[in-house]
Amino acid sequence: DAMVIQNPRYQVTQFGKPVTLSCSQTLNHNVMYWYQQKSSQAPKLLFHYYDKDFNNEADTPDNFQSRRPNTSFCFLDIRSPGLGDAAMYLCATSRSRGQPQHFGDGTRLSIL
Amino acid sequence: DQQVKQNSPSLSVQEGRISILNCDYTNSMFDYFLWYKKYPAEGPTFLISISSIKDKNEDGRFTVFLNKSAKHLSLHIVPSQPGDSAVYFCAATEAQGGSEKLVFGKGTKLTVNP
Repeated sequence: DAMVIQNPRYQVTQFGKPVTLSCSQTLNHNVMYWYQQKSSQAPKLLFHYYDKDFNNEADTPDNFQSRRPNTSFCFLDIRSPGLGDAAMYLCATSRSRGQPQHFGDGTRLSIL
Repeated sequence: DQQVKQNSPSLSVQEGRISILNCDYTNSMFDYFLWYKKYPAEGPTFLISISSIKDKNEDGRFTVFLNKSAKHLSLHIVPSQPGDSAVYFCAATEAQGGSEKLVFGKGTKLTVNP
């Protein structure tokens, strides 16, 4: 089945230690997104790629970076995680603008 | 400032009855609205959508109603089933404006009791 896969499902890192979350898709969608969701909050868009075109949200901290080496893969890098970065990170894809987004199951990040 | 609001954090209904989940938005530029369903430990799953040129869209047991003048939409589930128990997120976007960005509400947790 075509899908959006996030690895790992659970990630524990130390305060200040860089961490990378990965997302892959078999849908061949043009757009890939990264969201942060904290408990009882709405998913918050961090950034997205339209093909290779990177779009950063204005309020996304500089601590958060992303890479999309090819259509199938997208990575979220957190350079120096703080305690406030503990959250669920959701990857999503869509075929194009205005199309429904398809989500992975998320990576729950914990900071020690 | 929340542009998409789901004011009821939770809703409980009996199996077989109607579930009505509500959503309000403030941005008049939004023209495409979606509902997502989320089970624990899974990502959100697209459920149903509606364009601002319509006021109703139906898919099986699920119907979404849009009232543009009130900036309000609702999701009706009839009849409700225990398997519908999940968190439901309302989302909106400016599709005509070429935006790829979805703005989500905080979600409503629906519990359908057998």
